[in-house]
Amino acid sequence: AQTVTQSQPEMSVQEAETVTLSCTYDTSESDYYLFWYKQPPSRQMILVIRQEAYKQQNATENRFSVNFQKAAKSFSLKISDSQLGDAAMYFCAYGDNYGQNFVFGPGTRLSVLP
Amino acid sequence: NAGVTQTPKFRILKIGQSMTLQCTQDMNHNYMYWYRQDPGMGLKLIYYSVGAGITDKGEVPNGYNVSRSTTEDFPLRLELAAPSQTSVYFCASSYRTGLNTEAFFGQGTRLTVV
Repeated sequence: AQTVTQSQPEMSVQEAETVTLSCTYDTSESDYYLFWYKQPPSRQMILVIRQEAYKQQNATENRFSVNFQKAAKSFSLKISDSQLGDAAMYFCAYGDNYGQNFVFGPGTRLSVLP
Repeated sequence: NAGVTQTPKFRILKIGQSMTLQCTQDMNHNYMYWYRQDPGMGLKLIYYSVGAGITDKGEVPNGYNVSRSTTEDFPLRLELAAPSQTSVYFCASSYRTGLNTEAFFGQGTRLTVV
């Protein structure tokens, strides 16, 4: 079974600074998808960024980028120029190629300090 | 486009009562999922469905039942509610294209069993 680990329960960053959230996963599959979801206090689950495992190029969405290391099974999220609105729980997630599962990590609570 | 709609948003149940959490999506997605999120934790998969008439157990299925009679609807049934089922429940759906497996989430249902 696939597992997703986020070793940082809480992180904080100064406004306008850069922060990196860590995620590792375990799978025996070669094709899969990785995601970072943001959950603000409203409880809504918002997709931040997505990475296809077959792509070597790291995904980027504006201030959000990932460092995908397939051999190491590592998928970290970098937030540049942090904003107060970035404060939320961030979940790393794994999606298999069969639609059978989205496996979520335990989450990292990010605080942004003014 | 409504996306994924869950009802109700909040509910208080007494121990032993039963209820159905409704979930409907209007995106013609094949795959649907039910998760529970306990306080400060990630999401755990309860049940999933890869298409109408097909359901399967996730990580924490005990105490729940689902059905998928149509592509749009995926209700979650709680029989004999217990305090351990106090949680926030999320329904999600996705459309497998082999390239895009983003999961779209409902707003969540906060359930308290007293």
